[in-house]
Amino acid sequence: DAGVTQSPTHLIKTRGQQVTLRCSPKSGHDTVSWYQQALGQGPQFIFQYYEEEERQRGNFPDRFSGHQFPNYSSELNVNALLLGDSALYLCASAPESGTTDTQYFGPGTRLTVL
Amino acid sequence: GESVGLHLPTLSVQEGDNSIINCAYSNSASDYFIWYKQESGKGPQFIIDIRSNMDKRQGQRVTVLLNKTVKHLSLQIAATQPGDSAVYFCAENAGGTSYGKLTFGQGTILTVHP
Repeated sequence: DAGVTQSPTHLIKTRGQQVTLRCSPKSGHDTVSWYQQALGQGPQFIFQYYEEEERQRGNFPDRFSGHQFPNYSSELNVNALLLGDSALYLCASAPESGTTDTQYFGPGTRLTVL
Repeated sequence: GESVGLHLPTLSVQEGDNSIINCAYSNSASDYFIWYKQESGKGPQFIIDIRSNMDKRQGQRVTVLLNKTVKHLSLQIAATQPGDSAVYFCAENAGGTSYGKLTFGQGTILTVHP
């Protein structure tokens, strides 16, 4: 049973470009959350998707957007990249109901903005 | 506002010793807590969780203690091994669910010397 998977592993972009990161949740999980982790910091919540809708959002600008597909996988899009967007982007999945299972994280995508 | 912080940013122990990692939280409405372990270049790995209706929970070699009176959380690792070396984060959720937004602290670096 695969856990949370993310792609790509690493990505290098330049300022002003746009990027799309992908996440497949753990089997049986239907809620997907995205977090940004700057070097030496704890993860910061970006937003959460459930039933293909953004349900909750952290303190991030509109340049950060997302999508969830019918198979529960998700994408994170960041437009007009800034140097400060360089970070590890983490995806976490959890079941909405039915079990007491918790949130599990993927390995992350390391984004470098030059 | 909500915040989760750690008393000790670094902890060095000898192999075989017991380790205690502490965490303070400020949101009295938080009712679900998780400890994660993060190794270099990897995503956070679930260790153990606890709900606010409990004050202690044990796993394999790990114990989490919750003191709601002083809003304090601790992770105890028995017989610490070199493979336990990592950054440890506590995370809180104030929504009563295991799938909701998590607020992370800065993290504690645990180094285990052989």
